[in-house]
Amino acid sequence: GQQLNQSPQSMFIQEGEDVSMNCTSSSIFNTWLWYKQDPGEGPVLLIALYKAGELTSNGRLTAQFGITRKDSFLNISASIPSDVGIYFCAGQLAQGGSEKLVFGKGTKLTVNP
Amino acid sequence: EPEVTQTPSHQVTQMGQEVILRCVPISNHLYFYWYRQILGQKVEFLVSFYNNEISEKSEIFDDQFSVERPDGSNFTLKIRSTKLEDSAMYFCASSEMAGWGTDTQYFGPGTRLTVL
Repeated sequence: GQQLNQSPQSMFIQEGEDVSMNCTSSSIFNTWLWYKQDPGEGPVLLIALYKAGELTSNGRLTAQFGITRKDSFLNISASIPSDVGIYFCAGQLAQGGSEKLVFGKGTKLTVNP
Repeated sequence: EPEVTQTPSHQVTQMGQEVILRCVPISNHLYFYWYRQILGQKVEFLVSFYNNEISEKSEIFDDQFSVERPDGSNFTLKIRSTKLEDSAMYFCASSEMAGWGTDTQYFGPGTRLTVL
């Protein structure tokens, strides 16, 4: 089945530091999405990427859709305590008109004040 | 801002019992989805639904599962005879359009299902 390899699995950083996480796959995706999940809550959309090579920002967040359409990264600049949570990449496959999202296993971010 | 809502937030049931999880998608959305997340694991696709029929389902979505849009606003997931391994967070999602990678799915807060 389709797999998204997300890394790192967890990160412990100091407030103010920048963070980078990424996802790779052997499959080609039409869309890459980055979600954040707080404990006991549903995934909240952060950034959506639709075109290969696209670089999109949302405040302190920046994400890029890889040229090969098989990877994406998310950067968080100047982290703050409320950035704590689990970040998931998710992709919609390019084949067969599938609408389902395939999720990575998540990156758990801890920010120390 | 419009959002997906889900009820109940937590459902506890005995093994073998039927449960119905309810969702109200965003009002102008046409495509609806159920996902589940076993504790500590990634989110997994269960089923997508459009125009009153299932458009895609995963291997997890076996004969014990069914979905329905009983009226113009609700979207339900029924598990006919729950098993211990059905314990998970169940997320409903909706999107305005689908296909071609041109629209995004918005998730509800989830229902935590605990099967005893």
